Amino acid sequence: DTAVSQTPKYLVTQMGNDKSIKCEQNLGHDTMYWYKQDSKKFLKIMFSYNNKELIINETVPNRFSPKSPDKAHLNLHINSLELGDSAVYFCASSQEGDYSPLHFGNGTRLTVT
Amino acid sequence: KQEVTQIPAALSVPEGENLVLNCSFTDSAIYNLQWFRQDPGKGLTSLLLIQSSQREQTSGRLNASLDKSSGRSTLYIAASQPGDSATYLCAVGETSGSRLTFGEGTQLTVNP
Repeated sequence: DTAVSQTPKYLVTQMGNDKSIKCEQNLGHDTMYWYKQDSKKFLKIMFSYNNKELIINETVPNRFSPKSPDKAHLNLHINSLELGDSAVYFCASSQEGDYSPLHFGNGTRLTVT
Repeated sequence: KQEVTQIPAALSVPEGENLVLNCSFTDSAIYNLQWFRQDPGKGLTSLLLIQSSQREQTSGRLNASLDKSSGRSTLYIAASQPGDSATYLCAVGETSGSRLTFGEGTQLTVNP
């Protein structure tokens, strides 16, 4: 009964392709996030959704488009993949308006060749 | 712009030793501060969350302190064990905690 689950765990693809990463949480949280961890292990927020509405949109290329079909899901679609997109992408969730910690998924390691 | 720094970047200690990990942040107007643990190939596990109005939080052998005015937090691990080996990340929450700014982490190795 994983709280935050992401698929796939590994994704290897060629430059120029379009790919999606899926995320689901069963914690009943209001807010979901996408974070990117680069090769230096530095984590940076990309997007945050609260009740299916975008509330944080950091400076990421518009090739990255999050989609939240419902409160429990936040998918990340990436168009025209580039070498620099190679990283580990983490989905997370939290209860909005509360001092609740973030719960992270196990990450998706994306490798663009 | 908030910046979070963690020192040291890596730490290796013998089993049983008490240790302190340091975190500093540049903007003291924070909502909360969280300490996470990351194991290789895994996601992050929340260890402790300190609200901006609190000074410390404790969980088992872990104790985290927060000094907002000086922009510092420490994570104290008592009687370290090999199973504590992991990367420890400090993250500062701003504006209701939705936006977390992470430090680069301290990679801890506890040797048996």
